[in-house]
Amino acid sequence: DAGITQSPRHKVTETGTPVTLRCHQTENHRYMYWYRQDPGHGLRLIHYSYGVKDTDKGEVSDGYSVSRSKTEDFLLTLESATSSQTSVYFCAISELAGGHYEQYFGPGTRLTVT
Amino acid sequence: EDQVTQSPEALRLQEGESSSLNCSYTVSGLRGLFWYRQDPGKGPDFLFTLYSAGEEKEKERLKATLTKKESFLHITAPKPEDSATYLCAVQPNTGNQFYFGTGTSLTVIP
Repeated sequence: DAGITQSPRHKVTETGTPVTLRCHQTENHRYMYWYRQDPGHGLRLIHYSYGVKDTDKGEVSDGYSVSRSKTEDFLLTLESATSSQTSVYFCAISELAGGHYEQYFGPGTRLTVT
Repeated sequence: EDQVTQSPEALRLQEGESSSLNCSYTVSGLRGLFWYRQDPGKGPDFLFTLYSAGEEKEKERLKATLTKKESFLHITAPKPEDSATYLCAVQPNTGNQFYFGTGTSLTVIP
């Protein structure tokens, strides 16, 4: 258990509304990630962070923004939600353990955009 | 382009029937290859990290191996509780991103 929580766990929203998902970790990990998981596509990276206020884009970043003002919190914002953003969103951290990297995931947020 | 392909998409085994899952990858330089188990409605759970060709790691009935182009997850004498989706991912040695395959859905029948 890497101490990762996500909120909310489920959300239904309407097209065009802004949505913010929160990822919280308790173990001071430097690297944090946001992924979406869709059938047939697997896990795809949206954005990641390598420190407070240090973020970078992943392969599916269009329509999403992120912020990290504290080590423990990584926020994902959909500025104007679209139906194509209906998905399950996972937050993850990575840490160096015993000389190798390990990545751990949160429980996920199921987002439905109607 | 960095890419990960897993096969088969789905696999049904009788309890005790050993088999292997495949993960083939294309990456400019490999920092690590990762295996995860994902149960329905949950986030992926980390299983193994492999770094260099020839490396092997084991955990209970699972053994992961790595070559320069692919990795195998061997499942020996599986039990119904091994039923899950198994995901493979690679991390290139340039950058901090991870690239995932679409997974193999394993069902073990009692």
